[in-house]
Amino acid sequence: AQKVTQAQTEISVVEKEDVTLDCVYETRDTTYYLFWYKQPPSGELVFLIRRNSFDEQNEISGRYSWNFQKSTSSFNFTITASQVVDSAVYFCALRDLEYGNKLVFGAGTILRVKS
Amino acid sequence: GAVVSQHPSWVICKSGTSVKIECRSLDFQATTMFWYRQFPKQSLMLMATSNEGSKATYEQGVEKDKFLINHASLTLSTLTVTSAHPEDSSFYICSASLSGGVQETQYFGPGTRLLVL
Repeated sequence: AQKVTQAQTEISVVEKEDVTLDCVYETRDTTYYLFWYKQPPSGELVFLIRRNSFDEQNEISGRYSWNFQKSTSSFNFTITASQVVDSAVYFCALRDLEYGNKLVFGAGTILRVKS
Repeated sequence: GAVVSQHPSWVICKSGTSVKIECRSLDFQATTMFWYRQFPKQSLMLMATSNEGSKATYEQGVEKDKFLINHASLTLSTLTVTSAHPEDSSFYICSASLSGGVQETQYFGPGTRLLVL
């Protein structure tokens, strides 16, 4: 069955610290897509990244980086030099063919960045 | 690009009334739109998938007669909560994608907070 686990319910860091948000997924499909979304207090989900199962290259975008490892079924997200504006709930999500192309979300990780 | 809007952003209504929420893709045509519900401090739960011009597909446990979904055009889907009750109070979020294919990114609207008194 498809499942996304974000074991960290809440993380608090001080500004400028690096922080890694963990995501572990389960799927029987060989073709699948992984996503990260940010949900600030306003509520809107902001798309951050999409990664397909055949591309294990790590990606960096500014202060954000993602580490995709199929061997451990993980797709972790690191924020470098965190800022107060990074405070939000972050969701990891999975989409595969077996589940009819629906997004399966993890429970989310609340990130609090203190100044 | 890939902007999705929702209207209204907030709605307060009396128990027993119906509420319509609109979801629009502003700069792309969305063959598929999705409706989610999110309770406080919880994750998003998919309610239904709607494809333009056809009936919506509801997730198990979601009452299709209570949550009416219409996807009449490639840029507009509506969710109507009929005979709303306090337990229907929640944050409703829509998303849209170009084709609904597995590789497609879903872009989310800003959400609608519904409070039923």
